Amino acid sequence: SQTIHQWPATLVQPVGSPLSLECTVEGTSNPNLYWYRQAAGRGLQLLFYSVGIGQISSEVPQNLSASRPQDRQFILSSKKLLLSDSSFYLCAWSDQGAYTEAFFGQGTRLTVV
Amino acid sequence: KQEVTQIPAALSVPEGENLVLNCSFTDSAIYNLQWFRQDPGKGLTSLLLIQSSQREQTSGRLNASLDKSSGRSTLYIAASQPGDSATYLCAVPIGAGANNLFFGTGTRLTVIP
Repeated sequence: SQTIHQWPATLVQPVGSPLSLECTVEGTSNPNLYWYRQAAGRGLQLLFYSVGIGQISSEVPQNLSASRPQDRQFILSSKKLLLSDSSFYLCAWSDQGAYTEAFFGQGTRLTVV
Repeated sequence: KQEVTQIPAALSVPEGENLVLNCSFTDSAIYNLQWFRQDPGKGLTSLLLIQSSQREQTSGRLNASLDKSSGRSTLYIAASQPGDSATYLCAVPIGAGANNLFFGTGTRLTVIP
């Protein structure tokens, strides 16, 4: 069966520090991968998605970037964190092909201080 | 532009009651609709995916219906239990191909023992 791992679960970082959140998927090949952000009291917002290694699409301009160095690894990064980057970040995957079911990780709570 | 609305925002019911959660969307040209559950501080758990050609999907005590023409989906929970307490989110794919999900803001359900 497929599983998705996301870490760390919580992170407190100072303003201006770099960020690296990692997500890996097991039990499937060539998945679509996604990063979402969920701000307090707001809905989920798609940040990035990837249909293959090295292929990244950005939905929202921001202080963040994403990379997919391996087939089942998706990384969310920032060079310099802002206070406004504090949020709950979720990684997700779905099978290749359009409109397939999406599965989410357990999320990372990022607090920028 | 797609809009997804979930009403009510919060709902409290006594244990054992049957209940219905609502999801409305403005653009009926959807390929599927997915229901998720989110426990506090956790990731999303996929509950049901209904394809546009389907009217209903069932999983255990959960039954989801889809009426594209009226822009509505409902999630029916039978014989509610305290463990059903969570936020329930519906989502529809937007954009071409890659299954980018657009979420409603959710209904927070509390089942009182």
